[in-house]
Amino acid sequence: GAVVSQHPSWVICKSGTSVKIECRSLDFQATTMFWYRQFPKQSLMLMATSNEGSKATYEQGVEKDKFLINHASLTLSTLTVTSAHPEDSSFYICSARAGTSVDNEQFFGPGTRLTVL
Amino acid sequence: AQSVTQPDIHITVSEGASLELRCNYSYGATPYLFWYVQSPGQGLQLLLKYFSGDTLVQGIKGFEAEFKRSQSSFNLRKPSVHWSDAAEYFCAVGAHNQGGKLIFGQGTELSVKP
Repeated sequence: GAVVSQHPSWVICKSGTSVKIECRSLDFQATTMFWYRQFPKQSLMLMATSNEGSKATYEQGVEKDKFLINHASLTLSTLTVTSAHPEDSSFYICSARAGTSVDNEQFFGPGTRLTVL
Repeated sequence: AQSVTQPDIHITVSEGASLELRCNYSYGATPYLFWYVQSPGQGLQLLLKYFSGDTLVQGIKGFEAEFKRSQSSFNLRKPSVHWSDAAEYFCAVGAHNQGGKLIFGQGTELSVKP
């Protein structure tokens, strides 16, 4: 299957700082990318959907000013956690899809562990 | 509202034994259903999917799942479990009228006894 990478794989930051996480599709062009959040022993919760060149669509309850998503190219999307606080500590996972339909398989990155001190 | 329920948080089976992981969904239209496996340090991997047609679908690694509309279920099965199958398993429904986003169940952690 296609490969999706995330960088960094883990990051520790101080409260109040901002952190950027990159998601790259390595061998295909991703029309759509998704960002998920996963708490320990829990499910993946969709945060937002981004289509290349347009603004991200955020799920209800997700603060768009806190979780900035940019999908500037067909192979790269970034999630910036602004003014991070300890409650933002979580596992963030991205996925990428070559089309816009549910028929098109989503390929998942390995995730980024964020710890905010 | 769409939702997915995996009733079993944790299951332990002996190596070589059969496995069934349960998944129930709530979705207003014909569901697109998926099973994913998550291993530490790796991204979610698609095991199999159901869109239409034959209700018994075959996937990778010897897994299969059966779609039962009357029971709103999509249970995952494997006839003989290997130690390498120990992982977290997620059932998901695809909301094809909402940009194809996936709604995941809570996950089932599978442990395999030697």
